[in-house]
Amino acid sequence: DGGITQSPKYLFRKEGQNVTLSCEQNLNHDAMYWYRQDPGQGLRLIYYSQIVNDFQKGDIAEGYSVSREKKESFPLTVTSAQKNPTAFYLCASSIAGLREKLFFGSGTQLSVL
Amino acid sequence: GENVEQHPSTLSVQEGDSAVIKCTYSDSASNYFPWYKQELGKRPQLIIDIRSNVGEKKDQRIAVTLNKTAKHFSLHITETQPEDSAVYFCAAPPGGGADGLTFGKGTHLIIQP
Repeated sequence: DGGITQSPKYLFRKEGQNVTLSCEQNLNHDAMYWYRQDPGQGLRLIYYSQIVNDFQKGDIAEGYSVSREKKESFPLTVTSAQKNPTAFYLCASSIAGLREKLFFGSGTQLSVL
Repeated sequence: GENVEQHPSTLSVQEGDSAVIKCTYSDSASNYFPWYKQELGKRPQLIIDIRSNVGEKKDQRIAVTLNKTAKHFSLHITETQPEDSAVYFCAAPPGGGADGLTFGKGTHLIIQP
């Protein structure tokens, strides 16, 4: 069953802690993205990666880090420098030649304890 | 980069009536305009899209219109049903050679029985 899998579904972060959100896809898509969703704010781009071992900052990259060591995986780390991390995080991917058509994962809700 | 404005933020219609959601964009070079539907707690899913070489596209009860001169595009839903209740996002390519999409802030569509 092809698709994008995000885990965990819910995550809690203590103050000063780094947490990592997982995103895996078996669609053989080249590009992967991380979006942050806040109520009434739409989806804002954090980072994206067009190929393995390369990634670009989006509009709100501060306080976040990513890696792209494998085509299938694009984990997002929310660092302690992100002072307002509570949000719904969505991972997406797209195929070469159709970069604009995004396929989304089911999301991770991150909350601060 | 691209700036996408979406209105209204909330829209309540009677079941069976039509709903219209409007978006404007800033980059005249943008050439692809998708609409995503997100049901409560679920992932956004592409429902219809339009490219800049056409003015209108229909798929059963939904349609999208594009006015390139005015730089705005709209989603039209006819004969609304309870399952149309969701948040709808418009989007456009971010411009500047970047990948992915820039999203509007979303419209919460409520279908009243």
